[in-house]
Amino acid sequence: DTAVSQTPKYLVTQMGNDKSIKCEQNLGHDTMYWYKQDSKKFLKIMFSYNNKELIINETVPNRFSPKSPDKAHLNLHINSLELGDSAVYFCASSQVPGIYGYTFGSGTRLTVV
Amino acid sequence: EDQVTQSPEALRLQEGESSSLNCSYTVSGLRGLFWYRQDPGKGPEFLFTLYSAGEEKEKERLKATLTKKESFLHITAPKPEDSATYLCAVQAGAQKLVFGQGTRLTINP
Repeated sequence: DTAVSQTPKYLVTQMGNDKSIKCEQNLGHDTMYWYKQDSKKFLKIMFSYNNKELIINETVPNRFSPKSPDKAHLNLHINSLELGDSAVYFCASSQVPGIYGYTFGSGTRLTVV
Repeated sequence: EDQVTQSPEALRLQEGESSSLNCSYTVSGLRGLFWYRQDPGKGPEFLFTLYSAGEEKEKERLKATLTKKESFLHITAPKPEDSATYLCAVQAGAQKLVFGQGTRLTINP
């Protein structure tokens, strides 16, 4: 199936730990994104990459570091996790310039305890 | 700064009772307005993109319209399976979506 897939779906971890979320798309899209959805269901962009190059970094703490090994993959690594990082993280992809629609993954629910 | 406001926050309808969801936006240089549906525990699912004022798009019981300041998502004779959160988003100059807070729609049988 063509899709945006992200793993894991659920992630429960203790404060201070480091964790990674992986994302892959097989749609042939040029641009990939990380969005964060908070407890009020508000979706906000964190990063976007175009063909492995960082395009958007929306004032996200340095503890969050995206990595794009190729244009089909965009991973998110989070250092020193804090309680406030608990949220659902969505990966998405689009063709440039993106006005034809973005495809989202099913999300990773991160819970920091 | 680009801004999107959706209303109402939540809406309960009886099956077959038509209504509209509103999305007001403030953006410089709109390139596209998007409607998504999100079911619990899932990612947003693309419904429509509207590009210019006056444009309309339809899909089954849903119809989206666009003016220079707002978009409406009209739901005609809804069914319980239409229950979901409906998200509106805009794309302006930068290649990113700016979302509203969503409208949680519940259709009672």
